Amino acid sequence: GAVVSQHPSWVICKSGTSVKIECRSLDFQATTMFWYRQFPKQSLMLMATSNEGSKATYEQGVEKDKFLINHASLTLSTLTVTSAHPEDSSFYICSAREIGGRISGNTIYFGEGSWLTVV
Amino acid sequence: QKEVEQNSGPLSVPEGAIASLNCTYSDRGSQSFFWYRQYSGKSPELIMSIYSNGDKEDGRFTAQLNKASQYVSLLIRDSQPSDSATYLCAVRTDSNYQLIWGAGTKLIIKP
Repeated sequence: GAVVSQHPSWVICKSGTSVKIECRSLDFQATTMFWYRQFPKQSLMLMATSNEGSKATYEQGVEKDKFLINHASLTLSTLTVTSAHPEDSSFYICSAREIGGRISGNTIYFGEGSWLTVV
Repeated sequence: QKEVEQNSGPLSVPEGAIASLNCTYSDRGSQSFFWYRQYSGKSPELIMSIYSNGDKEDGRFTAQLNKASQYVSLLIRDSQPSDSATYLCAVRTDSNYQLIWGAGTKLIIKP
């Protein structure tokens, strides 16, 4: 089945620094990738929708200058948390949809998630 | 506002019994319906997808869709302790494949 890889799995960074999370579709080309954030015991919260070659569409309340999303190729999207603060500590998850659905059909597959802790 | 509703639970089911999880959605134009399983601290994992009215079976799992009543359910037969997780219902309503998520139902299978 389709595989979406996310890296790093977990990261600890100092307050005020930036951290980049990568999301790769390993066996298919992803025209659309989604970035979610999930706090403990809460549901997934969509942060933004990323289409290859165009600017990401951010959900209401998500600061686009703080959460920089780059979808430079059909297999890679990155999320950069800039000037991170302790309240940004969360589980960040990406998901991807394949062009044409030849391999993954209409399904959206998730990466393994990245735990971010800001100290 | 498009919404997907689930009972948060926890739903406690004895091992070997049938677990029944329900989900309702507000947008009648919804086309695709998904059940994901999420273990604590892990990313969601696709369990079932269903696109047309009726039942769809895959092993111990059966998804049921009723578009007229706007609900989708997931049945887990012969429940195992390893089925204990949060089950997320997701609905796709537009061409950009954005999913609308329910808050999830926590399922506990008691040995």
